Amino acid sequence: GAVVSQHPSRVICKSGTSVKIECRSLDFQATTMFWYRQFPKKSLMLMATSNEGSKATYEQGVEKDKFLINHASLTLSTLTVTSAHPEDSSFYICSARDSAGGDTDTQYFGPGTRLTVL
Amino acid sequence: AQSVTQPDIHITVSEGASLELRCNYSYGATPYLFWYVQSPGQGLQLLLKYFSGDTLVQGIKGFEAEFKRSQSSFNLRKPSVHWSDAAEYFCAVGAEANTPLVFGKGTRLSVIA
Repeated sequence: GAVVSQHPSRVICKSGTSVKIECRSLDFQATTMFWYRQFPKKSLMLMATSNEGSKATYEQGVEKDKFLINHASLTLSTLTVTSAHPEDSSFYICSARDSAGGDTDTQYFGPGTRLTVL
Repeated sequence: AQSVTQPDIHITVSEGASLELRCNYSYGATPYLFWYVQSPGQGLQLLLKYFSGDTLVQGIKGFEAEFKRSQSSFNLRKPSVHWSDAAEYFCAVGAEANTPLVFGKGTRLSVIA
């Protein structure tokens, strides 16, 4: 099946710094990727929809200036948490759909990135 | 708006026993339905999905789910649970293939000897 990778898998940073998380579709092209956030023992909450070549669409309550999303190619979307604070600590997961062929009806999820802000 | 309800927060079953995890959804049309499994600290793995056709779908690891439109349900079943099945299970619904998914709150499965 299709594979989605995320890098890094785990990051610890100081409050006030920025952190970039990469989401890559390894063997397929994805015009759309989704970024979710998962709090401990909670479900996944959609943060934004990342569209290749255009601006991301953010869910209500998600600060677009804090969570910068760039979808520069058909295989890469990045989420940058700017000026991170401890409340941004969470598990961030991306998903992507094969837009060109194969199984186009399934979203494939990355393994997630654990962000801890001290 | 779409919504998913997983009524059971935590279920404990004995190894070898059968399992059923409940999922109810709210959506006006025929939804895209999914079950994902998540091990601690890991991402989501797709177990199975339903879009149309046969309402009983088979997935990986011996799991199956049945779509019942009249009950707005998509319950996950497995006839004999293995210790390695202990994980968090999420039911999700989508309007179309390229729309974001709405997830239930998950059901944590514990397996005892």
